[in-house]
Amino acid sequence: GAVVSQHPSWVICKSGTSVKIECRSLDFQATTMFWYRQFPKQSLMLMATSNEGSKATYEQGVEKDKFLINHASLTLSTLTVTSAHPEDSSFYICSASEGLFTEAFFGQGTRLTVV
Amino acid sequence: RKEVEQDPGPFNVPEGATVAFNCTYSNSASQSFFWYRQDCRKEPKLLMSVYSSGNEDGRFTAQLNRASQYISLLIRDSKLSDSATYLCVVNVNTGFQKLVFGTGTRLLVSP
Repeated sequence: GAVVSQHPSWVICKSGTSVKIECRSLDFQATTMFWYRQFPKQSLMLMATSNEGSKATYEQGVEKDKFLINHASLTLSTLTVTSAHPEDSSFYICSASEGLFTEAFFGQGTRLTVV
Repeated sequence: RKEVEQDPGPFNVPEGATVAFNCTYSNSASQSFFWYRQDCRKEPKLLMSVYSSGNEDGRFTAQLNRASQYISLLIRDSKLSDSATYLCVVNVNTGFQKLVFGTGTRLLVSP
């Protein structure tokens, strides 16, 4: 399958700081990238969908000013958690899709801990 | 109503058993369907796409019923390594592409 690389795989940061997570499609062009959050023993929750070159579409309840998503190229999307707080601690995971309604491939995920 | 619903399980089965999972979706505009597998603390991995005609990959068979808006996954001859969470995924056309996951069904295969 296609390869999606997510970096960093884990990060610990202080409350009030910002954290940037990168998601790269290594061997295909990702027209759409999805960002999810998963709390322990819970399901993946879609945060936002981003298409290359356009603004991300956020799910209800997700603060777009807090979770900044940039999809500047067909191989890179970034999620920045601004002014992180302990309640933002979670597993963040991206996925990338090459075409319309095709399968998506996942990055390895980023485990964020805010202290 | 959730966009994609699954029985969370867990399903406890012995090795060699046949087990089936169902998933229902609410948006009739859903365009494509998939089953993913997620192991503990890992990212989901694509297991198989689901086609209207039904499709099979080894011990795994997926079916789609558009009229009733449900998807199924059948696993035959369960192996210990099949223990994981199985996620039903629906790609919905809401004016843009949106990939929605079910809560997942946990499968535990015991010796």
